[in-house]
Amino acid sequence: DIQMTQSPSSVSASVGDGVTISCRASQYIGTSLNWYQQQPGKAPKVLIFDASTLETGVPSRFSGSGSGTDFTLTIGSLQPEDFASYFCQQGYSSLYTFGQGTKLEIK
Amino acid sequence: QVQLVQSGSELKKPGASVKVSCKTFGYTFINNNINWVRQAPGQGLECMGWINTNTGNPTYAQGFIGRFVFSLDTSASTAYLQINDLQSDDTALYFCARSGFKKIDHWGQGTLLTVSS
Repeated sequence: DIQMTQSPSSVSASVGDGVTISCRASQYIGTSLNWYQQQPGKAPKVLIFDASTLETGVPSRFSGSGSGTDFTLTIGSLQPEDFASYFCQQGYSSLYTFGQGTKLEIK
Repeated sequence: QVQLVQSGSELKKPGASVKVSCKTFGYTFINNNINWVRQAPGQGLECMGWINTNTGNPTYAQGFIGRFVFSLDTSASTAYLQINDLQSDDTALYFCARSGFKKIDHWGQGTLLTVSS
């Protein structure tokens, strides 16, 4: 299975700050990398797919970049509703795997 | 619109079995595969595997081979997850999720399974 390593596991920030989350694949995955946001007790929702494509309806303060094995999710000017958990997921293999998640907390 | 509606919470004893359903609405069932994802309390998302809704062929991730069974009722546009010989560490929130173009695009609401004597 392709292993996904996400960092940091948690980060504290304030409303208006910018945040970057990293994700590394254990092997080449091209741009088959998606980012999801999950609020407590809810199903995840996709923010970014194909490494850098913004899902319809997702605010433009979210952006993704990377290819090959290294990827980043950047959130510019944090809003109160952005404090949640974030997961990367590879779609290169038919057997998807997720990173371990990053919990974004209010400072 | 596309919806995946899962069955309700379950409380089971160790050694028992459970079958979770995922009924889909708003699209042609056989056109999109269904993934099953586990989330243990306070933990991350773990992909258990997926089932090809056209052929019924399941693929299981390492760690989910043996006690876990994916199945379909195509006539009812429903996918199922059965877990046999339940153990306490099967306690988790289980999601079904539809594979879309290059991503998981729709999720069920989750089914909470508690395994306790």
